[in-house]
Amino acid sequence: KNQVEQSPQSLIILEGKNCTLQCNYTVSPFSNLRWYKQDTGRGPVSLTIMTFSENTKSNGRYTATLDADTKQSSLHITASQLSDSASYICVVTAYILTGGGNKLTFGTGTQLKVEL
Amino acid sequence: EAQVTQNPRYLITVTGKKLTVTCSQNMNHEYMSWYRQDPGLGLRQIYYSMNVEVTDKGDVPEGYKVSRKEKRNFPLILESPSPNQTSLYFCASSLSTGTSTEAFFGQGTRLTVV
Repeated sequence: KNQVEQSPQSLIILEGKNCTLQCNYTVSPFSNLRWYKQDTGRGPVSLTIMTFSENTKSNGRYTATLDADTKQSSLHITASQLSDSASYICVVTAYILTGGGNKLTFGTGTQLKVEL
Repeated sequence: EAQVTQNPRYLITVTGKKLTVTCSQNMNHEYMSWYRQDPGLGLRQIYYSMNVEVTDKGDVPEGYKVSRKEKRNFPLILESPSPNQTSLYFCASSLSTGTSTEAFFGQGTRLTVV
C-alpha cells in the first residue's frame, strides 16, 4: 500500500531560525515528490516538484531534497518568517500502470508555527 | 488570474438534503479532481476526471457523484449527505497527469452535515 509519513507532526520555532521537515514514503512506481504549503483554511500551494533524477530543488528560502534510494525527502526552511506558519504537506506521485496518468498520495502534514 | 474557484466556501446542511459543490477552473486544464481533508488523515481523493465526459473513482467515492460536461467545470454532488461527510473539500486541476505537472487547488469548501 502506498504511504507517505511526515515528521514531526508539529513544530514551533522562533522567527529567523532554520528548520527541517521530514518525509518518508513507500510509493511505487515512483513518479515525483511534491511539497505543498497549506495556510489555515486555504488550499495547498505548490512549493517544489522533484523527479527521480533530482536530489535537490530550491524555491526562495525553501529547499527540498530527495533520496530516491532510501525513499526520503526533506524540506529545509531558512531564516523563518511569521508567514511561514502553515501546514507543510509531502505528496508522492505514482505512475498508474493501467490506464496511464499519475496518482497522488498525501502525507498528513507537519504543522509549523513561527513565533517572535 | 489563473485560479480554481469553489462555491460555496462554507455550507451547513441537514442529513439527506441533496447538495452540489461547484468547481470551476480558467486554465483550460484537462485533469480535475476532488479531495476531502479530515484531521489526521491527509487529503484523500474522491473522484477525478481526465477530460470531458471521463470520470473515475478515487479512494473514497462512496456517497458522492461528479460530472464533467464541460472542461472548466467539475461539480461534486452529494445526493443524500450524512454526518460522516462533514469535512473540508478541495477541488484541484492540472494541465495533464504528466510527471511534473503542477496541481492547483481551490480555496476549499467546509461542509457540515447535521
